[in-house]
Amino acid sequence: QVQLVESGGGVVQPGRSLRLSCAASGFTFSNYGMHWVRQTPGKGLEWVAVIWPDGSTQYYAEFVKGRFSISRDNSKNTLYLQMNSLRAEDTAVYYCASGHPSHSGIPNYWGQGTLVTVSS
Amino acid sequence: EIVLTQSPGTLSLSPGERATLSCRASQSVSSNYLAWYQQKPGQAPRLLIYGASSRATGIPDRFSGSGSGTDFTLTISRLEPEDFAVYYCQQYGSLSWTFGQGTKVEIK
Repeated sequence: QVQLVESGGGVVQPGRSLRLSCAASGFTFSNYGMHWVRQTPGKGLEWVAVIWPDGSTQYYAEFVKGRFSISRDNSKNTLYLQMNSLRAEDTAVYYCASGHPSHSGIPNYWGQGTLVTVSS
Repeated sequence: EIVLTQSPGTLSLSPGERATLSCRASQSVSSNYLAWYQQKPGQAPRLLIYGASSRATGIPDRFSGSGSGTDFTLTISRLEPEDFAVYYCQQYGSLSWTFGQGTKVEIK
C-alpha cells in the first residue's frame, strides 16, 4: 500500500533553513507528481509546491517563491522541501502528497505530516 | 490566484440527515478541476472527489460532487457517524493550487 513518511521537522529560528524529506513506498514514485501542503495550527490547508514526475517542472505558492525549493530523487523514492529564510508564519504541519493517476495536480495519498516551528 | 469560499462554516446535523456543502470560486475553475477532501482531528486529509464529480478509490457512494464553473457542491446523502469531520475544496485548474477554508460538519 502507498506509504509517505515525512521527516526533518523541528524548531528553527527565524531566518534559518530547514530541509524536509518524504520517503515514498508502495507505488512507482517516478510516475507521479508530488506535492507539499501545509496546515497551520488550528487552521486550514495551504498548498505549497508541486513537482512533476521527472522533476523537470515545479510550481510554488506565491508566499514561498524565492524561499522554498521542491526537489526529488527518483532513485531514492524521496521528495524534498528546502526551506530558507524561514518566518514565524511558516510554522505549520507540512504534508507531502502524491499526485493522482488521472492528474498530477490532485494531491491523492498523504503522509502524516511533520511539524515545523519557527521561533526564536 | 483563485479564491475558494466555502459555506457554511459549520453545519450541525444529525446522523442520517443529508449534508450539502458549497464551494464558490472567485473565477471559473478550468475544466472543473475541483476536488473535495475530508479531514478528521489528528489525521491527514483524504481525497473524496476529483474532477468535481468523480469519487476517489474506496469512497462510499453516499458522497457525491456536482457543479461547474464557479459553483460546486459536495453532498453526503445520509450522514454516518464517521462522516463528522472538516471538509475542504481545492482547485487545481490554475498553476497555483488553492484550498477553501473548510466546512465543519458537526453532530447536532
